[in-house]
Amino acid sequence: GAVVSQHPSWVICKSGTSVKIECRSLDFQATTMFWYRQFPKQSLMLMATSNEGSKATYEQGVEKDKFLINHASLTLSTLTVTSAHPEDSSFYICSAPEWVYSNQPQHFGDGTRLSIL
Amino acid sequence: GIQVEQSPPDLILQEGANSTLRCNFSDSVNNLQWFHQNPWGQLINLFYIPSGTKQNGRLSATTVATERYSLLYISSSQTTDSGVYFCAADGAGGYQKVTFGTGTKLQVIP
Repeated sequence: GAVVSQHPSWVICKSGTSVKIECRSLDFQATTMFWYRQFPKQSLMLMATSNEGSKATYEQGVEKDKFLINHASLTLSTLTVTSAHPEDSSFYICSAPEWVYSNQPQHFGDGTRLSIL
Repeated sequence: GIQVEQSPPDLILQEGANSTLRCNFSDSVNNLQWFHQNPWGQLINLFYIPSGTKQNGRLSATTVATERYSLLYISSSQTTDSGVYFCAADGAGGYQKVTFGTGTKLQVIP
């Protein structure tokens, strides 16, 4: 069945490093993917909408230069946290609907726990 | 955008007890899902239920779309049911942009 694969699952790195997170749709094409962030003991908040072949749409308050999103193919979206700092430490998760504009559940990746030292 | 509120925020149950979690949403929805987030952060999809009632083992869910709420029932709770439960909705007319609820943290004690 349709699955969203997200890598890596856990990243620990030094402050100032850039970190790339990949989200792949398996067995289906995802023209749209969504990226969420979750701080400890909080809910998941939508960061941005990734559209294949066009620029991502960012939610209010999310720095587009800090969180670079690339959706170069129908099966892969990447989120790059540039020059990461401790305040960027969080749980990041992606999702994709199997068909756009359809009343179907979204498929979620397993998430990436990012820790910046 | 759509607002999604859950209650209660925290719940402690004795193993074997039943519980009801509630999700209120502020507008019409195309899609409503219930998730269980395990200690590793994985979102386990429990139900896709924009309307009506569904059951899966000890869990069942009901969404009353006209009154803008959904309920998740857990019967005969087990310690493995512990974790955070989220409902998530995407508003009608939206581009499947999902808004998560505030979550209910459930602890089932032996």
